This record gives sequence, C-alpha cells and structure tokens, in this order.
Amino acid sequence: DAKTTQPPSMDCAEGRAANLPCNHSTISGNEYVYWYRQIHSQGPQYIIHGLKNNETNEMASLIITEDRKSSTLILPHATLRDTAVYYCIVREGTGGTSYGKLTFGQGTILTVHP
Amino acid sequence: DAGITQSPRHKVTETGTPVTLRCHQTENHRYMYWYRQDPGHGLRLIHYSYGVKDTDKGEVSDGYSVSRSKTEDFLLTLESATSSQTSVYFCAIRGTEGPTQYFGPGTRLLVL
Repeated sequence: DAKTTQPPSMDCAEGRAANLPCNHSTISGNEYVYWYRQIHSQGPQYIIHGLKNNETNEMASLIITEDRKSSTLILPHATLRDTAVYYCIVREGTGGTSYGKLTFGQGTILTVHP
Repeated sequence: DAGITQSPRHKVTETGTPVTLRCHQTENHRYMYWYRQDPGHGLRLIHYSYGVKDTDKGEVSDGYSVSRSKTEDFLLTLESATSSQTSVYFCAIRGTEGPTQYFGPGTRLLVL
C-alpha cells in the first residue's frame, strides 16, 4: 500500500471549514484514498473514501487531485466535536493480497477551538 | 457503532495470567480484525479472520492467539499476559462489498 504524508497538527476555528491535506505520491491506479478519524479514547471512525472523483457525504468532502498524488478532506463547518486525529490511508480496493488490512500512520491532530 | 461490541471494556490483570477479549458483531460480516494501539505506534494488526475457523496472523501476532467458532464472535487470547501487552485493543469488521472497516469501542488492558 502507498505511503501517506500528513501534517502532524492543525487548528481550525469553530464554524469554519477544516481542510486536511494528505500526500500520496506513490499511489497506484487501483488504490483508494480512505479517511478515518479517532476521537479521544474511541475506536477509529470511517469518514469517506474515493478513487479519483471527488466525493461528498454527510460528514465531509474528499477532493482528489487529477494526478491522484494528493487529496484534501474538508469538514465544511467544523465543530468542537470534530477535534480528533484524522488518518489518511491509501490501499487497494476489494481483493488483492493485503486481506483488507488498514495501515494507520500518525495522522493529523485537528483541534477545533471556539 | 456498526453493531460491534467488545468485552470487557476495561481489564486489569497480572503478569502470567491468561486473558480473553471478545468481539461481537451483529452485522454478519465475513472479515474481523484485532488491532492494538500504543503511543507512538498507531494501530497495528494482531490477527484477522476471513470466515468461521479461518484466521491468520497480522504484523504483531506473537503472544496472541485467536478463535472464531461462529460468524459473530472473534476472540483474542493472551495465553500468558506480559506487561508489554498493556494496550488498547480494537476489533474491526468488514463486509465483502469493499475494504471499509468499522471499529468497536476498544478494550483497555493493563497488565501489572
């Protein structure tokens, strides 16, 4: 699975958009970009994933560059409850030899302040 | 919470004692995973299962065994707990429709 690079920490004001970047320059054609987050003391929570098109759901939007070497997770109106560690993970889709394993890096600590 | 429960949620035990952690799902998903999370290491895969009685090792499997006798339950056993196994343990499940995993609430284990 491709390696990802994320900033170790970011701040965001409550009510503003939080834009979390992720670099994955070695991504291959069949690998998806996944975002998870982990709120303190809880299990990781799935947010969104995409292959090459931008995606949006009730939690966030995912913008993937045309060359697929980087992506941005957007929380449109951050709240205090969005304070968490955000993980960008790149892995292949269903099948393959990696049995669905997720490799979590260090992630980005997002702090939303009043 | 995707229908996943873990028990116990907290446990304190002594070195050398056996410990079993349980992961229970109500989603009838095929794949189940056990991870541990430690400061500075992120989440690391211990064992996983791809069906009843079908299990395999992850990256940090030494000192752990697993069993899956029915779809809904995946057990993680520490045969003889050591202080290095003090950690937070997370179970995850995955359906066959894609690689998205859903995690349980975690079990905090302290080995004295």
